[in-house]
Amino acid sequence: SQQGEEDPQALSIQEGENATMNCSYKTSINNLQWYRQNSGRGLVHLILIRSNEREKHSGRLRVTLDTSKKSSSLLITASRAADTASYFCATDASGGSEKLVFGKGTKLTVNP
Amino acid sequence: NAGVTQTPKFRVLKTGQSMTLLCAQDMNHEYMYWYRQDPGMGLRLIHYSVGEGTTAKGEVPDGYNVSRLKKQNFLLGLESAAPSQTSVYFCASGTGVPSYAFFGQGTRLTVV
Repeated sequence: SQQGEEDPQALSIQEGENATMNCSYKTSINNLQWYRQNSGRGLVHLILIRSNEREKHSGRLRVTLDTSKKSSSLLITASRAADTASYFCATDASGGSEKLVFGKGTKLTVNP
Repeated sequence: NAGVTQTPKFRVLKTGQSMTLLCAQDMNHEYMYWYRQDPGMGLRLIHYSVGEGTTAKGEVPDGYNVSRLKKQNFLLGLESAAPSQTSVYFCASGTGVPSYAFFGQGTRLTVV
C-alpha cells in the first residue's frame, strides 16, 4: 500500500493567498520529500526534510514534519497562477528501505 | 545535459503484444525507478534498481519485467500487454535515499 496520503485531493485558491497541503504516512521514515507535477509533465523535486528536522524553508515554500503524528505539511505563500500543479509527497521508510514511495497528490489550482 | 530520457513518449499496443520501455540517464546515478501513474492513484512503484545488474520489486510488479544491464539504462518490459496496463509510465533516477529523484517526461501507453 502507498506510504503517503495527501490531503486535500484538490484545492482551489485565488492568486496571492496561501496554499496548505498535508501528507500523512503510515510507517517510520528517514526522509520526506515534496514534488511538483505540471500537467502532462514529469515530477520535479521541491524540498526534502529529514526525520530529525521539524521545519524547512525554500523561497515561498515551508515544509513541516511531525513524526509523532506521522504527518507533513507544505505551505506555499503568496501563491501565483504559475503554482497551479499537482503536489506529491514521497517517503523512504526507515530500516534501510531503498524504495521511494509516493502518495496520490493534491491538485492545486491558483486562479488569477 | 539530457537528464532522464524515456523512449518512446507515446505508444498504442494491442492486447497480448509485447514491448520494452527504455529509460536512459546521464547523471551516473546508481538508483533507478519505474512508476506508473493512473488517475486518482498517484504514482505507484513498479520495479527499481539500486545499481547495475540489480533489480527489485516495488508495489505493483505483476505483469512487468525489468533489466539493468548498464548503469545508465533501465528497461521496463511488458511481455503480454493487458488493458489494465494502460497508464502513464515514469522513470526516475537518483543517488539513493535520502536524495532527490529526477524524473523523465513519461511514456503514455494505451493497450486496446
